[in-house]
Amino acid sequence: SAVISQKPSRDICQRGTSLTIQCQVDSQVTMMFWYRQQPGQSLTLIATANQGSEATYESGFVIDKFPISRPNLTFSTLTVSNMSPEDSSIYLCSVVVGGSTGELFFGEGSRLTVL
Amino acid sequence: GQQVMQIPQYQHVQEGEDFTTYCNSSTTLSNIQWYKQRPGGHPVFLIQLVKSGEVKKQKRLTFQFGEAKKNSSLHITATQTTDVGTYFCAGKGSNYKLTFGKGTLLTVNP
Repeated sequence: SAVISQKPSRDICQRGTSLTIQCQVDSQVTMMFWYRQQPGQSLTLIATANQGSEATYESGFVIDKFPISRPNLTFSTLTVSNMSPEDSSIYLCSVVVGGSTGELFFGEGSRLTVL
Repeated sequence: GQQVMQIPQYQHVQEGEDFTTYCNSSTTLSNIQWYKQRPGGHPVFLIQLVKSGEVKKQKRLTFQFGEAKKNSSLHITATQTTDVGTYFCAGKGSNYKLTFGKGTLLTVNP
């Protein structure tokens, strides 16, 4: 298993600003992902965070809006840029732990409200 | 692209009643995973099914994977208030990406 810490746990932001979410894992992991969960909805994959290279984005998500960094095997950041109320969501960091059967471990999530 | 449909969207039961949620994929899956998300919490992995026709049990929970590896179900026997939450299936296709269903929100009346 893995212990995943996300910061901030929640924030209220103004339209047009940007916010960076941090994800720290207690062990080195190969696969790290960022998901979005809009209120009462399912989980949508934003991107795969690749260590030392550009993230791989899913359809509908672009680097300019959601820049991602992953400087090492235990840490990643997701920035939500130029926020609008439509970006109000829970953003979840998740990892696959080496040797596991491929299940995802999730952080506690970062609940963003954009006014 | 791959789609995973899950029904029902909501289910309210009396404590002690059974509960089932169903998951159907538009494409054949390499495996399917189930997660539980308590209100205000984050998704927690329950189980993974890989083989055609596989059935796995965890106490009162029974998970099935269809013969064609395109559908799955989660059945809870004699629900308890601790079973409250949203249950998500997530299918892994040939591209190894995980696609989540919309989830079934289970509420239990004590």
